[in-house]
Amino acid sequence: RKEVEQDPGPFNVPEGATVAFNCTYSNSASQSFFWYRQDCRKEPKLLMSVYSSGNEDGRFTAQLNRASQYISLLIRDSKLSDSATYLCAVNTGGFKTIFGAGTRLFVKA
Amino acid sequence: SAVISQKPSRDICQRGTSLTIQCQVDSQVTMMFWYRQQPGQSLTLIATANQGSEATYESGFVIDKFPISRPNLTFSTLTVSNMSPEDSSIYLCSVEAWGKGSASDEQFFGPGTRLTVL
Repeated sequence: RKEVEQDPGPFNVPEGATVAFNCTYSNSASQSFFWYRQDCRKEPKLLMSVYSSGNEDGRFTAQLNRASQYISLLIRDSKLSDSATYLCAVNTGGFKTIFGAGTRLFVKA
Repeated sequence: SAVISQKPSRDICQRGTSLTIQCQVDSQVTMMFWYRQQPGQSLTLIATANQGSEATYESGFVIDKFPISRPNLTFSTLTVSNMSPEDSSIYLCSVEAWGKGSASDEQFFGPGTRLTVL
């Protein structure tokens, strides 16, 4: 089993739609959780950290479920510019962050 | 935050040769990370480089194939040795730093080096 697993997609959604991605992790000792965004042929950039209480940043909401060992990302009112690959990342408290394979999102006009 | 530059941005190499990738950070950092990302795949950690000590390699990666240098707190190199077409990939340098508005360290990535081995 992979340490961090994501549905690779692709998710094809119309503008304005709400879309949600899940990511599961295998190490129950994991301490920090993140969502990164990677545009085509670019490096990943942090979208948001994921806190235990859940957090929201504009149209983006991240949730953490420690009991079931998954994190989620919800995007509301999708924009064309949201088209990208979204990478889930998990840190076990050491110096190593494990990335998921990414979920591809295409937002269509 | 951290700003990272990498050189070269891309290269096409013949099998059996070696390529050294340079990574420069605009601030001093304790650890630097080298990742590989093959087309359509996720980031795979190759090794963690600390200044003044040998790099720590992940399972499946060895020092003879991917020697790393870390001469100071702002610079590192990764060499891909005796290359084969299977080494064709994007190689990314990364550091952890305190991000703006973040409550924890986030990872910043260099723009990557796109390597094609013929």
